Amino acid sequence: GNSVTQMEGPVTLSEEAFLTINCTYTATGYPSLFWYVQYPGEGLQLLLKATKADDKGSNKGFEATYRKETTSFHLEKGSVQVSDSAVYFCALTINDMRFGAGTRLTVKP
Amino acid sequence: GAVVSQHPSWVICKSGTSVKIECRSLDFQATTMFWYRQFPKQSLMLMATSNEGSKATYEQGVEKDKFLINHASLTLSTLTVTSAHPEDSSFYICSARDIITATQNTEAFFGQGTRLTVV
Repeated sequence: GNSVTQMEGPVTLSEEAFLTINCTYTATGYPSLFWYVQYPGEGLQLLLKATKADDKGSNKGFEATYRKETTSFHLEKGSVQVSDSAVYFCALTINDMRFGAGTRLTVKP
Repeated sequence: GAVVSQHPSWVICKSGTSVKIECRSLDFQATTMFWYRQFPKQSLMLMATSNEGSKATYEQGVEKDKFLINHASLTLSTLTVTSAHPEDSSFYICSARDIITATQNTEAFFGQGTRLTVV
C-alpha cells in the first residue's frame, strides 16, 4: 500500500542553521506530495506541495522537490527561526492522504 | 483560503457516554471528508473516509460501530464516539477536499482538532 517514511526526530537546531528533514514514499500510481506543519494543540497547516515529478514546492523559505527517481520529497530551509519550531509531517495522497510519523523541530535562539 | 471548522476543540466526558464531534467546511463544499486520530507525539492515523450521502469507508482495525460517521451534507460530517472509554482519549482531526478543485490528488484542509478525554 501507499506509505510515507519520514526522518525520526526530534531535531534541535540553533537559529539560522540549515534544516533538512528527509521523506521517502512508496506508492502505486502517481501521488501528490505535501509537507504539513502542526503547532502545539492545533490541526495541520499546509506548508507546501508538489503534484508531479521534478516539481518544487516552496513557502516561507521552505522548499521540497518531488524526486521520482529516488521517491523522495525532502524538506529544506536555509536559515531556520525560533518561530519554525513545530512538528512537520510529510504526506502523500492518492484518493486518501497518508502521513509520515512526523518530525519535531526545536529551534533555539 | 479554505477553512475547516471542528467543534468542540476539547471535550471531557464520562466513561460510557457518547460524544459527537462536528467537522464543517465553511467556505467550500466537500463530498469527501477524512477523520484521523492522533496519539501524543505520534502521526495521524486515518480512521475513515466520509462520503456525502453514503456510508463511510473505515480503515482496517477501526470499529465502525464505535466510531459512527455521518456525512449528511456537503459541508458537515460528524464523528460520534459511542460508549466512550479512557482508551478512546485522543486528538481527533478531520479534513476535507474542496468539491470544485478536488481530484484524487489535491490537498485536504484540516480542522483544528478535538481533544477528547474520557474519565
